[in-house]
Amino acid sequence: GAGVSQSPSNKVTEKGKDVELRCDPISGHTALYWYRQSLGQGLEFLIYFQGNSAPDKSGLPSDRFSAERTGGSVSTLTIQRTQQEDSAVYLCASSLIPQGNKAFFGQGTRLTVV
Amino acid sequence: DQQVKQNSPSLSVQEGRISILNCDYTNSMFDYFLWYKKYPAEGPTFLISISSIKDKNEDGRFTVFLNKSAKHLSLHIVPSQPGDSAVYFCAASDTGTASKLTFGTGTRLQVTL
Repeated sequence: GAGVSQSPSNKVTEKGKDVELRCDPISGHTALYWYRQSLGQGLEFLIYFQGNSAPDKSGLPSDRFSAERTGGSVSTLTIQRTQQEDSAVYLCASSLIPQGNKAFFGQGTRLTVV
Repeated sequence: DQQVKQNSPSLSVQEGRISILNCDYTNSMFDYFLWYKKYPAEGPTFLISISSIKDKNEDGRFTVFLNKSAKHLSLHIVPSQPGDSAVYFCAASDTGTASKLTFGTGTRLQVTL
């Protein structure tokens, strides 16, 4: 596709359930990032992929959060045993190379944990 | 600890006038700065960036100024247009690139007719 695509756009889940969020980066972009934006906050870095490996996972808030990337393309962010504080907009971005001067963002997945 | 701060949550400017959005940072290791614009239900869109070796970068109606000694940057939009109404995020990186960005909380700009 022409841009970064995320699915689903909205997800409501019950506390304690697991969720998977998907990101399709721009074709050919080797770098992929996950951020989240909680209510009233700025975007918070979660994890960075270069190809299929994640050299920087420092932003993942707990071991309930994990992410993988396959084929140097699609990435999945998994949140296990969701909590209400996980409610946020999860944004994915990609760039051509890590040394890119800009990252292109998807529209985000709004996660609501009830 | 908020390393990138946008102290004005909102700003209203008349069409045709200049909009000035401000951003302060505390981490002296930041060496690359970006501005993103965000419309509701959309992801942030890159606007303009500046490296710490410069103090000004201009792109059409958008100019970013960087004052390293004050750890302050600003985005000027002139002339402001109604389509500029959006939330503007300041972001910073210590890698010299757009990887691992630290974002401010955003400023909502409203351009009125």
